[in-house]
Amino acid sequence: DAGVTQSPTHLIKTRGQQVTLRCSPKSGHDTVSWYQQALGQGPQFIFQYYEEEERQRGNFPDRFSGHQFPNYSSELNVNALLLGDSALYLCASSRGSARDTDTQYFGPGTRLTVL
Amino acid sequence: QKEVEQNSGPLSVPEGAIASLNCTYSDRGSQSFFWYRQYSGKSPELIMSIYSNGDKEDGRFTAQLNKASQYVSLLIRDSQPSDSATYLCAVNIAPDSNYQLIWGAGTKLIIKP
Repeated sequence: DAGVTQSPTHLIKTRGQQVTLRCSPKSGHDTVSWYQQALGQGPQFIFQYYEEEERQRGNFPDRFSGHQFPNYSSELNVNALLLGDSALYLCASSRGSARDTDTQYFGPGTRLTVL
Repeated sequence: QKEVEQNSGPLSVPEGAIASLNCTYSDRGSQSFFWYRQYSGKSPELIMSIYSNGDKEDGRFTAQLNKASQYVSLLIRDSQPSDSATYLCAVNIAPDSNYQLIWGAGTKLIIKP
């Protein structure tokens, strides 16, 4: 049973550039949530996608956008990168149609460094 | 501002002893509570979820929930060096959304051989 996968593992960008991160959910899951985790902090909720739509959004600027595809995989896009965007970006999948919608399983993460 | 508070630690426990990790939350309407373990440089790994007041046991782990006191804890019995990690507490936001989890900053646990 394939777990949550993310790509790439590591990424280095410069300020002002744009980045796209990818996530494939666990088999049987249809909901994808994205988190940003700075060093020494807990994950911060960016947004959640269900049925190809953004269902909930955290306190992140519009530079952060996403997409969910019919096969439930998802992308996170960040435009106009800032130094402060350097973090571990985590994707979590869950089942959207039951109470277990909030039992989330994480992928390995993408480490983004902005220089 | 809805918050989840954890002692950052580090909490040092001898091997074989019981490790006790605590978490308080501000949203009285929260319904779902989770403990995750995170090794350095890795992603969070689900240990346990708890939804009702009382204790829930899974192997060496016991989660305890007290909604009246807005308090959730995790006990680890017979602590092993492999339990050394950061433990994250996550709570859902209610009633605005059942989907968004608020996370504590984590407690670093060190198990000393």
